[in-house]
Amino acid sequence: DSGVTQTPKHLITATGQRVTLRCSPRSGDLSVYWYQQSLDQGLQFLIQYYNGEERAKGNILERFSAQQFPDLHSELNLSSLELGDSALYFCASSPQTAPGGYTFGSGTRLTVV
Amino acid sequence: SQQGEEDPQALSIQEGENATMNCSYKTSINNLQWYRQNSGRGLVHLILIRSNEREKHSGRLRVTLDTSKKSSSLLITASRAADTASYFCATAGGGGYQKVTFGIGTKLQVIP
Repeated sequence: DSGVTQTPKHLITATGQRVTLRCSPRSGDLSVYWYQQSLDQGLQFLIQYYNGEERAKGNILERFSAQQFPDLHSELNLSSLELGDSALYFCASSPQTAPGGYTFGSGTRLTVV
Repeated sequence: SQQGEEDPQALSIQEGENATMNCSYKTSINNLQWYRQNSGRGLVHLILIRSNEREKHSGRLRVTLDTSKKSSSLLITASRAADTASYFCATAGGGGYQKVTFGIGTKLQVIP
């Protein structure tokens, strides 16, 4: 157990639907990062939050949004889902905004059918 | 686009042999990190080397960094079947925000 908790582990949903992925960072970590991993794209950085504030955006689609709550857990919302959104979604956390090593969760496998 | 690119993309060796994976990157970095990912699982941080370091060891792992060539290598000595995994390098760039960018990984298979 890495200390980063992601739920759910698996999610199967239909095109056009909306889902929410949840992440609880390791205790004491203020930064949360979201990554998407698909077979042909490798690990793509989506977005980072630090202590409740958005710090950086990567290749995140407009259909996707995220937030970090006062208790530091984060949610990634994916809407108007397309088949191509099927992927592993990872959350990682780190103590501060400057990256040393990340601690990753075990991921949420999203399948859009 | 990916900052780091690992080479080779796949590597198959016998147990007990050494495995070497390389990573090249394009822009200046603050540090470079290596991660391991077992199939379908989360990434595990292995080692971090700062831009002013040239070599770092951790157990059976040895990482080198050549900033003049913008490259790094990860050596796993005396490999074990349990080392079978994908290995990613990740670079943290300079500037006000040090976004960490991952490569596409090297798939290592260690045959018992």
